[in-house]
Amino acid sequence: EIVLTQSPATLSLSPGERATLSCRASQSVSSYLAWYQQKPGQAPRLLIYDASNRASGIPARFSGSGSGTDFTLTISSLGPEDSAVYFCQHRRNWPITFGQGTRLEIK
Amino acid sequence: EVQLLESGGGLVQPGGSLRLSCAASGFTFINYAMTWVRQAPGKGLEWVSTIGAGGGSTYYADSVQGRFTIFRDNSRNTMSVQMDSLRTGDTAVYFCARGLLDTTSLDVFGYWGQGTLVIVSS
Repeated sequence: EIVLTQSPATLSLSPGERATLSCRASQSVSSYLAWYQQKPGQAPRLLIYDASNRASGIPARFSGSGSGTDFTLTISSLGPEDSAVYFCQHRRNWPITFGQGTRLEIK
Repeated sequence: EVQLLESGGGLVQPGGSLRLSCAASGFTFINYAMTWVRQAPGKGLEWVSTIGAGGGSTYYADSVQGRFTIFRDNSRNTMSVQMDSLRTGDTAVYFCARGLLDTTSLDVFGYWGQGTLVIVSS
């Protein structure tokens, strides 16, 4: 099983700042890494798939990068609406696994 | 518009059974793998099970292997999971999710239902 480790656990930033979230895989997942945003009481929303492809309707200020074992989700200019938990997920093989999440707080 | 609507959640005693269903609309159901993902209260996301587009391939997390059975009815655009021998650790919101791509079961989840809560408790 591929273990995904996200860091930091919590990130507290101000509006307009840049957020950098990390996801590290225990073995290579090639580019098969996705990012989700989840707000309280809601289902997750797909942001990025295959490391760097934005899902439909996702603003350009969300970007993903990386390959192999190290991946980054960058939010270029934070707004209050970005307060959420962010999860990464691989689809390299079975079982599909998720990271434990990074909580992003907007001050 | 893609819509996924889960049903069947509720309170069940340990060792009991429950069947969850997901009604799908707004897309060609037979073209996509379908998946259950769960989230224990205050916890992260856990992939549970996936069924391939045709229904012939099924995949399970080790934590549910042998206790859960996923199936689909492509004539009714529904997917279900039969959950037996339930444990307190199965308590979670269960989400139905559709893959983004129509070419693989190993997919990302572009569409989600709102979830149905399963509580396993005596």
